Amino acid sequence: DQQVKQNSPSLSVQEGRISILNCDYTNSMFDYFLWYKKYPAEGPTFLISISSIKDKNEDGRFTVFLNKSAKHLSLHIVPSQPGDSAVYFCAASGASGTYKYIFGTGTRLKVLA
Amino acid sequence: DTAVSQTPKYLVTQMGNDKSIKCEQNLGHDTMYWYKQDSKKFLKIMFSYNNKELIINETVPNRFSPKSPDKAHLNLHINSLELGDSAVYFCASSQDPRGLSGYTFGSGTRLTVV
Repeated sequence: DQQVKQNSPSLSVQEGRISILNCDYTNSMFDYFLWYKKYPAEGPTFLISISSIKDKNEDGRFTVFLNKSAKHLSLHIVPSQPGDSAVYFCAASGASGTYKYIFGTGTRLKVLA
Repeated sequence: DTAVSQTPKYLVTQMGNDKSIKCEQNLGHDTMYWYKQDSKKFLKIMFSYNNKELIINETVPNRFSPKSPDKAHLNLHINSLELGDSAVYFCASSQDPRGLSGYTFGSGTRLTVV
């Protein structure tokens, strides 16, 4: 029972274009969402977060959008750079009354030079 | 100067052995975690400690025992290792128990049980 899903295992984008990474969740009690980036042989690195009281949060080239009715969030990277090539995980919490995050299985982004 | 460091980075051991993975953070964070990433790349929380107090204890076999001697350290001891324990184990820390500012992860320990 995977409550957080990233249905695209991989994505390729040209340098300079927009990368859009998607994440769907099933539990309407989730109220806080995070995105992480992971390079090989390293731990995930926190990128950006969004609370369910917002529908958008922006930090430099990274913007996260939240559509609560669709239980969907997306991460936009504009413009994409080769250094953005990594695996991106979304994570959600708030459902169980504990501070547990449920992670998606990740999307591998490849930015082509 | 690594913020969250775990040792060892790689661990190969035989079934039935007992092993420990150590984790230390120098960020002054109050909360530390152990996550397991399995072969299907699922990252699942195992344990969380806040100021040395256990606050999350997921359904993991009791062969796994975390120990937090102080709030900068969270070690993971595994008894009677099994083949299915092979995975990458990540330690992480956060400023608050909710992790609202995100976690800082260590680089992982790849455990292989043979």
